[in-house]
Amino acid sequence: DSGVTQTPKHLITATGQRVTLRCSPRSGDLSVYWYQQSLDQGLQFLIQYYNGEERAKGNILERFSAQQFPDLHSELNLSSLELGDSALYFCASSVGEGSNQPQHFGDGTRLSIL
Amino acid sequence: GQSLEQPSEVTAVEGAIVQINCTYQTSGFYGLSWYQQHDGGAPTFLSYNALDGLEETGRFSSFLSRSDSYGYLLLQELQMKDSASYFCAVRGGGSYIPTFGRGTSLIVHP
Repeated sequence: DSGVTQTPKHLITATGQRVTLRCSPRSGDLSVYWYQQSLDQGLQFLIQYYNGEERAKGNILERFSAQQFPDLHSELNLSSLELGDSALYFCASSVGEGSNQPQHFGDGTRLSIL
Repeated sequence: GQSLEQPSEVTAVEGAIVQINCTYQTSGFYGLSWYQQHDGGAPTFLSYNALDGLEETGRFSSFLSRSDSYGYLLLQELQMKDSASYFCAVRGGGSYIPTFGRGTSLIVHP
């Protein structure tokens, strides 16, 4: 158990809809990262927050947005969903932002678009 | 930008030793990490190398050569439970965000 909690575990919805994925980091971790993993793909970095502030953006679509709340949990919002958005979405957390900080991953949310 | 190359699949038998290679391209290298991911599960941190040489953690070791932009993960005394995908991830280019390779699927046969 990494200590990172993601909900829901599975989500099935239709094209054009909007969903919110939730992540609670490990106790004491200030940094939260969101990743997308499609079939047979590596982990694609989407966005990072540190102590409530956006710190880095990766290949995140304009239809996607995220935020980190004062209690450090984070939400990833996906809107106008397309079939290609079907993927595993992982949240990871780390204590800080240093280069030697290991990331601890949650079990992911499997999003299926029908 | 950053890029990584690792084999897509490696097979080995139980009890053997296997090496998974990773070559990377980045400017301003910070470090190379390895993660294990069982099918559909959460990636789990295995090791981190910032300096040249070998880091050993139990049955797993990770090696880095910064001059060759190359690293490898060495798994000894393979067990069936080691069947998983292994990702190398590089930090560099002024960013502490790791860029992940596409992963190597390790299949351990009895």
